[in-house]
Amino acid sequence: AQKITQTQPGMFVQEKEAVTLDCTYDTSDPSYGLFWYKQPSSGEMIFLIYQGSYDQQNATEGRYSLNFQKARKSANLVISASQLGDSAMYFCAMREDDGANNLFFGTGTRLTVIP
Amino acid sequence: DVKVTQSSRYLVKRTGEKVFLECVQDMDHENMFWYRQDPGLGLRLIYFSYDVKMKEKGDIPEGYSVSREKKERFSLILESASTNQTSMYLCASREQSWSSGNTIYFGEGSWLTVV
Repeated sequence: AQKITQTQPGMFVQEKEAVTLDCTYDTSDPSYGLFWYKQPSSGEMIFLIYQGSYDQQNATEGRYSLNFQKARKSANLVISASQLGDSAMYFCAMREDDGANNLFFGTGTRLTVIP
Repeated sequence: DVKVTQSSRYLVKRTGEKVFLECVQDMDHENMFWYRQDPGLGLRLIYFSYDVKMKEKGDIPEGYSVSREKKERFSLILESASTNQTSMYLCASREQSWSSGNTIYFGEGSWLTVV
């Protein structure tokens, strides 16, 4: 089974509007962490935001917020006031606290911001 | 800032050639990773290393090997390149502990084409 599922291969949003990128995860580990990364066309992976499974509040970083719904196992990324520079691939990822070193990545969502 | 540097951004190699992809990080991180990224598949872990001379297989190690002779350097080796290894390769590093949501830091990626 996929650990991380991103069901939106591509999304479009009007500049200055908000957009939600979906992410669901699958784990039986009670302790885990969720990450979102942005990958512009240049190829580098840029860390955006992190949510721990025991965090009581949803994480926020500037225009990025993570809508964490633990019971539904979802960790959607919300970008407010979209900018042209937000056009990129976005990846959701998870780490488990079973001693594993790795992050599990979704297949990504390509966001295009329309002027 | 953490810096993960991949020596080659774009490479074109012939089938059967031995290929070295080099990665250096400057933050004294114990863990280093090599991922492969393909459209529609997200990032898949090839190998990771948690210490000098230590390595573990990831999800897709076949056709690859790695070397970690120094803490800051992690090399990916394609012993005999094949066309199905045409891909984007990402190196990453992180601290030993997952505490405080510390994340994986990525290099800019190496685009490898095998002809």
